[in-house]
Amino acid sequence: GDSVTQMEGPVTLSEEAFLTINCTYTATGYPSLFWYVQYPGEGLQLLLKATKADDKGSNKGFEATYRKETTSFHLEKGSVQVSDSAVYFCALLIGSARQLTFGSGTQLTVLP
Amino acid sequence: ETGVTQTPRHLVMGMTNKKSLKCEQHLGHNAMYWYKQSAKKPLELMFVYSLEERVENNSVPSRFSPECPNSSHLFLHLHTLQPEDSALYLCASSQQVAGGDTQYFGPGTRLTVL
Repeated sequence: GDSVTQMEGPVTLSEEAFLTINCTYTATGYPSLFWYVQYPGEGLQLLLKATKADDKGSNKGFEATYRKETTSFHLEKGSVQVSDSAVYFCALLIGSARQLTFGSGTQLTVLP
Repeated sequence: ETGVTQTPRHLVMGMTNKKSLKCEQHLGHNAMYWYKQSAKKPLELMFVYSLEERVENNSVPSRFSPECPNSSHLFLHLHTLQPEDSALYLCASSQQVAGGDTQYFGPGTRLTVL
């Protein structure tokens, strides 16, 4: 079946550090890929998405590129801020499916 | 208001109570979803509605009863819950059920069952 694997957390960084959160997937078709972010006490917010191979999603300084050859969708940001502290979820959706398949989430803490 | 809203944001109930969670989407979408987020577990899809018709029920206990009176509103009726039902309940909507459409989430209802 379809699945998403995220790097284990928690991740702790200093402000202005470079961030990478790894995400790989297995899917029977050609999925759309998403990163959602969940701030403390809140629901999930869509951060960025990519719908086909080599697409790059970007938002708020975050980027992720859909790599079909490595079945990956790693999240990156060049300089993190304290306000980026949250849980980040990688997810996929097959066109014919009704259900988003989520990774387990990665807790990010950014220290001042 | 815009996006997906949920009320209440927090709910504490006893095992014999009956309560309802409400979700409303202002995006003109045709599909709505209930997810459950428990501590240290992946998000679990509970129900899917397309144009007010239930199209998916992922083996959810009958103590959870969904209702979708129109394409903008979704309810989750709760009765005789168990403490292990304590979780964050998230509502989402998308343009269509299939087709890879992006799902947009509400802020969630934090439910505590005593």
